[in-house]
Amino acid sequence: GDSVTQMEGPVTLSEEACLTINCTYTATGYPSLFWYVQYPGEGLQLLLKATKADDKGSNKGFEATYRKETTSFHLEKGSVQVSDSAVYFCALIPNAGKSTFGDGTTLTVKP
Amino acid sequence: NAGVTQTPKFRVLKTGQSMTLLCAQDMNHEYMYWYRQDPGMGLRLIHYSVGEGTTAKGEVPDGYNVSRLKKQNFLLGLESAAPSQTSVYFCASSPSGGAFETQYFGPGTRLLVL
Repeated sequence: GDSVTQMEGPVTLSEEACLTINCTYTATGYPSLFWYVQYPGEGLQLLLKATKADDKGSNKGFEATYRKETTSFHLEKGSVQVSDSAVYFCALIPNAGKSTFGDGTTLTVKP
Repeated sequence: NAGVTQTPKFRVLKTGQSMTLLCAQDMNHEYMYWYRQDPGMGLRLIHYSVGEGTTAKGEVPDGYNVSRLKKQNFLLGLESAAPSQTSVYFCASSPSGGAFETQYFGPGTRLLVL
């Protein structure tokens, strides 16, 4: 079946450091890939997405590229801020009834 | 727009008690979902609905029932709560269920079953 493997956390960085959170997937067909972010005490919200191979999703300085050859969708940001502290989820959604989320990676950014 | 709202925010139940979690969305979305979030296990889909009057099982449906009598509401019921159902429950909705669509999440309900 479909699966998502996400880099284990927690991840602690200093402000302005570079961030990479790895995400690899196993799926049949051509699913859409998503990164969701969950700030403390809140629900998940979409950070970025990509719907086909080689697409790059970007938002708020975060980027991720849909790599079919390596079945990956790694999340990157060049310079993190304290306000980026949150839990990040990689998700694979081939259709509405079969969403698969990763376990989440907790990021803490220190001033 | 309030988006997706969930009631209650927090609840404590004793084993064997029943309760209903309410999800409401004001975006006229067709699809609605119930997930549970447990440490180290990500989000797992419990049940979902593709429109008013319809429901379908997700990955972990046992011990839960759902109803979608009105398009804007999706109810999750626990008939006889068990400690294994201690979790954070999230409701979500999406416009028409396409694989490329964003799901919009509520703030969550934290449930503790003693």
